[in-house]
Amino acid sequence: DGGITQSPKYLFRKEGQNVTLSCEQNLNHDAMYWYRQDPGQGLRLIYYSQIVNDFQKGDIAEGYSVSREKKESFPLTVTSAQKNPTAFYLCASSGQKPEQYFGPGTRLTVT
Amino acid sequence: LAKTTQPISMDSYEGQEVNITCSHNNIATNDYITWYQQFPSQGPRFIIQGYKTKVTNEVASLFIPADRKSSTLSLPRVSLSDTAVYYCLVGGRGDTGRRALTFGSGTRLQVQP
Repeated sequence: DGGITQSPKYLFRKEGQNVTLSCEQNLNHDAMYWYRQDPGQGLRLIYYSQIVNDFQKGDIAEGYSVSREKKESFPLTVTSAQKNPTAFYLCASSGQKPEQYFGPGTRLTVT
Repeated sequence: LAKTTQPISMDSYEGQEVNITCSHNNIATNDYITWYQQFPSQGPRFIIQGYKTKVTNEVASLFIPADRKSSTLSLPRVSLSDTAVYYCLVGGRGDTGRRALTFGSGTRLQVQP
């Protein structure tokens, strides 16, 4: 089955620790995205990548970092510099069709 | 991307038709209108996209008037499983799939038995 996988579904970390969220797609899509969603809110763009080895900051990139070494993978690192990291993180990808396909999300809790 | 305005919430009953309207007064000539559906703790799912007049697929219809400053998502005969948040987005079709989307707060639809 083609799709986007994110792991883990739930993640708990102590404040001050960096944590990396995984996102993998086997849809052969060029573009990939990371969004953050807070309770009752819409999605906000963190980073996106239109092609391997290239990525751009979104609206709320501070405290986050990404890499795009492979077409299939776009991991997101939440650093200790992110002041409010507890949120629902969504990864998406897009190809030729005018729509984005989303993964199941990772719920990160930092205490 | 053009800013959109939607109602915060709507209520309906099973079997009814639900129409959710989105305003996008500053839509650009090459912008398309796209709707997504999101269930709690899941990623949004593409529902439908259109440019003008009417578009219909197996789950919904999209009505776009001639001035394109608004659009209406129509869900026929809703069921309890249609309870979700619905997002309206506007952007260029050539890039909509690639370019990052700007999601607003969406419309929270609650379907009652």
